[in-house]
Amino acid sequence: DTEVTQTPKHLVMGMTNKKSLKCEQHMGHRAMYWYKQKAKKPPELMFVYSYEKLSINESVPSRFSPECPNSSLLNLHLHALQPEDSALYLCASSPPIPGELFFGEGSRLTVL
Amino acid sequence: AQSVTQLDSQVPVFEEAPVELRCNYSSSVSVYLFWYVQYPNQGLQLLLKYLSGSTLVKGINGFEAEFNKSQTSFHLRKPSVHISDTAEYFCAVSDKLGGNNFNKFYFGSGTKLNVKP
Repeated sequence: DTEVTQTPKHLVMGMTNKKSLKCEQHMGHRAMYWYKQKAKKPPELMFVYSYEKLSINESVPSRFSPECPNSSLLNLHLHALQPEDSALYLCASSPPIPGELFFGEGSRLTVL
Repeated sequence: AQSVTQLDSQVPVFEEAPVELRCNYSSSVSVYLFWYVQYPNQGLQLLLKYLSGSTLVKGINGFEAEFNKSQTSFHLRKPSVHISDTAEYFCAVSDKLGGNNFNKFYFGSGTKLNVKP
């Protein structure tokens, strides 16, 4: 199984809503990532978890809250988002260095 | 930190013609190099990677790339493109963060390959 699965594929939420994005992988990777991608731009790193511990937070606003319940799951909790947060949110995992990133299909988020 | 430059934001090419997508990175030791492809509304898919060894790397869908350390380049090539190759292509570089167990990846700005019939 070489897949990273993300749910939901599409999400529309209001600025006062609370929602979550989910990501799952069963490749035994111990590093998991959240990226944000705007149209016609490269992925922008948000968070990195290594061995279920948050290792990198790229100064992401607190309205985005990551969680890594176990080595296979990664969540991104969303609260009080702004319309400019609308984007494609990509989850990825990687094996130990020097492995590549394995990406999910992404969750397309629209904030109204 | 690394920086990755993809000078060409768009590359139009006719079907069955050869193509080269350029990628340059800032100099460093122990870099690992990758090319990813992204089709509309999808995630990124690995095309090929250079970790060590032979500087000519072959990937999926007939793509290849050559690592040139002296020019700090990792250009992507395909001898004959198809309509289905129309997509966004990202070059990426990673290095090891000291003491950590994961890579930090640096992406170029992307090149849109537009294959015309």
